[in-house]
Amino acid sequence: DTGVSQDPRHKITKRGQNVTFRCDPISEHNRLYWYRQTLGQGPEFLTYFQNEAQLEKSRLLSDRFSAERPKGSFSTLEIQRTEQGDSAMYLCASSTGTAYNYGYTFGSGTRLTVV
Amino acid sequence: EDKVVQSPLSLVVHEGDTVTLNCSYEVTNFRSLLWYKQEKKAPTFLFMLTSSGIEKKSGRLSSILDKKELFSILNITATQTGDSAIYLCAVVSGNTGKLIFGQGTTLQVKP
Repeated sequence: DTGVSQDPRHKITKRGQNVTFRCDPISEHNRLYWYRQTLGQGPEFLTYFQNEAQLEKSRLLSDRFSAERPKGSFSTLEIQRTEQGDSAMYLCASSTGTAYNYGYTFGSGTRLTVV
Repeated sequence: EDKVVQSPLSLVVHEGDTVTLNCSYEVTNFRSLLWYKQEKKAPTFLFMLTSSGIEKKSGRLSSILDKKELFSILNITATQTGDSAIYLCAVVSGNTGKLIFGQGTTLQVKP
């Protein structure tokens, strides 16, 4: 296992379409996070899973966004009825969550462009 | 509301210069502060700081945390063109381990 994998790397979609991204974390990592990064900004937290349970969601995560992590392994992030404002890099990260050692491993991200 | 602020937002220096990047924070339930380097892809980890006054060092990079004044600095000495990147400061908040990022400092090192 060489790290966190995200698929696809790039996605161009028309406004109003639905898109789904996938993240495969490091296998022994029980914590998984999604972040969104727009141009010129730092990443913003979207949601957090511990194993299969979604334990926290940001207010940024509108009802058009949904995330799942079935069986505590890979995760998917779906955006319904995409808007131009959804254009961003979507980053996934995983960690073991050892106390005071929140060493993250980030994936390479999925760059979404909504036209 | 939790907040992390970095300064400056951008910086242009010449090779060999020393730079200091700043990060201040207002976060409830602080756990630790992390620095990342980002070059057009995912952030790569530089340092994690949890205790005040203890300098972390890696080659030409060093960082220190002041938990009383709520800030951290990242120093880069003898800069090289390969140091050109966005430097992100993030704070771990609460028990979930989520990161609160600053806006980043874009560093450009000219030959």
